Amino acid sequence: KQEVTQIPAALSVPEGENLVLNCSFTDSAIYNLQWFRQDPGKGLTSLLLIQSSQREQTSGRLNASLDKSSGRSTLYIAASQPGDSATYLCAVLNTDKLIFGTGTRLQVFP
Amino acid sequence: DGGITQSPKYLFRKEGQNVTLSCEQNLNHDAMYWYRQDPGQGLRLIYYSQIVNDFQKGDIAEGYSVSREKKESFPLTVTSAQKNPTAFYLCASSIVAGAYNEQFFGPGTRLTVL
Repeated sequence: KQEVTQIPAALSVPEGENLVLNCSFTDSAIYNLQWFRQDPGKGLTSLLLIQSSQREQTSGRLNASLDKSSGRSTLYIAASQPGDSATYLCAVLNTDKLIFGTGTRLQVFP
Repeated sequence: DGGITQSPKYLFRKEGQNVTLSCEQNLNHDAMYWYRQDPGQGLRLIYYSQIVNDFQKGDIAEGYSVSREKKESFPLTVTSAQKNPTAFYLCASSIVAGAYNEQFFGPGTRLTVL
């Protein structure tokens, strides 16, 4: 059974720092991995999707990497801003289902 | 504007009542999904539909029912058989189900049992 773990559960940093959020999964037979952002009381916003054949994806200040063999993905946020404060979720696609981690709650203070 | 809409944003239910949550998309996506989110837990899949008039149970389908009569719509009914329905419910869609397809999410409905 696929299990997805995110570390750390919470993170508080000053503005301007470069951040790394971690996601690990137990079954490497995935089709893709998605990173999402969730603001309090809101739905999920898709940030990046990495196909199983890819190693990384970039969008602006965000870079996500995927190492299927070791069951790991990282989300790198460059030059963090207070507007980046949110919960970040990773999810892996097994057959037709997305399996979610419990998220990393990020606070960036000025 | 293309996207996924969910209504209502907040819903209150008395014990023993059935309630229906609405999900509509105008993205022309074939696949639609319902998830439940509880504090401190990841999202869990309730039901999904790959095509009109077809749907499959997810990991926590007990106490829930769905229909898919139109491509654009995938309503979720929370029945009285669901013992702990208070949660945040999220609807999603993708072009087709399965590999390589990104899922897009609606804004959610928060259901509270009084």
